[in-house]
Amino acid sequence: GAVVSQHPSWVICKSGTSVKIECRSLDFQATTMFWYRQFPKQSLMLMATSNEGSKATYEQGVEKDKFLINHASLTLSTLTVTSAHPEDSSFYICSARDRLGQGGPDTQYFGPGTRLTVL
Amino acid sequence: GNSVTQMEGPVTLSEEAFLTINCTYTATGYPSLFWYVQYPGEGLQLLLKATKADDKGSNKGFEATYRKETTSFHLEKGSVQVSDSAVYFCALSDSLIGSYIPTFGRGTSLIVHP
Repeated sequence: GAVVSQHPSWVICKSGTSVKIECRSLDFQATTMFWYRQFPKQSLMLMATSNEGSKATYEQGVEKDKFLINHASLTLSTLTVTSAHPEDSSFYICSARDRLGQGGPDTQYFGPGTRLTVL
Repeated sequence: GNSVTQMEGPVTLSEEAFLTINCTYTATGYPSLFWYVQYPGEGLQLLLKATKADDKGSNKGFEATYRKETTSFHLEKGSVQVSDSAVYFCALSDSLIGSYIPTFGRGTSLIVHP
């Protein structure tokens, strides 16, 4: 149980285009989902926290107009990188917390990540 | 604020060697502690966790004990395998700050040679 999927697993796009990444909890409902960015050989940087039905909370330094997050249902959150540029190339990882507290309130389940390359 | 410090890698070992990856933390509350593993090109998988002092988390031969007196949560395995090659992240989650949003260490790369 507690599986999180991401789609696509990798994407290559041209500079200036927008890319949408989906994060789904497959066998549980997630009231809270998190989006992280990971640079090569570095740790995860939390970008934003999204709660179902409300606006996302962005971490300091993260441009909310560039990284649009929508959490429209209890099983789906999307991250849209708008007008992507090469510096946005990174590995984006989402995680989800079970609404029913499976694994404990402090447990998150991570998706497999999405590799974004902007040319 | 909260922080997690891990030993720098890469850690390079031969198969069947003993593994220790050090992790220390600072926290204002009473955090839960985690070890995650990331295989190449993949997301993070929870390896083990401990929620209170003196708890021992274990999974797949890996162990870590929550040491409040030394604020540490070192990861150990008695005999590593080539398949254990991955990046290991220590993390804490504190209910007092950030509503359980985890704080991650920088990760330690483990390379196991046959």
